[in-house]
Amino acid sequence: AQKITQTQPGMFVQEKEAVTLDCTYDTSDQSYGLFWYKQPSSGEMIFLIYQGSYDEQNATEGRYSLNFQKARKSANLVISASQLGDSAMYFCAMREGNDYKLSFGAGTTVTVRA
Amino acid sequence: KAGVTQTPRYLIKTRGQQVTLSCSPISGHRSVSWYQQTPGQGLQFLFEYFSETQRNKGNFPGRFSGRQFSNSRSEMNVSTLELGDSALYLCASSFDGFTVNTEAFFGQGTRLTVV
Repeated sequence: AQKITQTQPGMFVQEKEAVTLDCTYDTSDQSYGLFWYKQPSSGEMIFLIYQGSYDEQNATEGRYSLNFQKARKSANLVISASQLGDSAMYFCAMREGNDYKLSFGAGTTVTVRA
Repeated sequence: KAGVTQTPRYLIKTRGQQVTLSCSPISGHRSVSWYQQTPGQGLQFLFEYFSETQRNKGNFPGRFSGRQFSNSRSEMNVSTLELGDSALYLCASSFDGFTVNTEAFFGQGTRLTVV
């Protein structure tokens, strides 16, 4: 079964608007971490934000915030005030318990329009 | 502080050949993971090393192997290359990788093309 599901293959957003990228996950572990990465066309994976399963507050990092709904097993990324440089592929990932790997979703391509 | 360095950035090989990719983690990081990224399969975990020991391995054939040196630098090797091995290979380094909140920092990847 897929551990991470990203159902939006591609999205367009107007510059300065907010965009929400969906991510649902599947795990039976009580302890897990959720990550969002940005991958520009250059290929490098850039870490954006992290949410731990025991964190009660939603994580925020600058223009990025994570809408964590544990009961629904969702961890949506919100990018506020989109910029042209935000155009990239975005991946949701999870690390479970004592596993030493990240499981990634299929990614969502975001294109910011001027 | 220097980031994760992967060499080479681009590589073209012929079917049947073998290839070695290199990854230098962030200074002080002891965990190195490798991932394969293809348009069809997405990002898939290959293996993870910590202090020269492989701790986890993904579902890849034995043609894919890796190792880690005492300075934490890591190499991965693919023998008897197949066309389907064409991919972006990403290396990630972490301080220890023991806890779920251990952030992984990625390199720019090596883009391998098999012809």
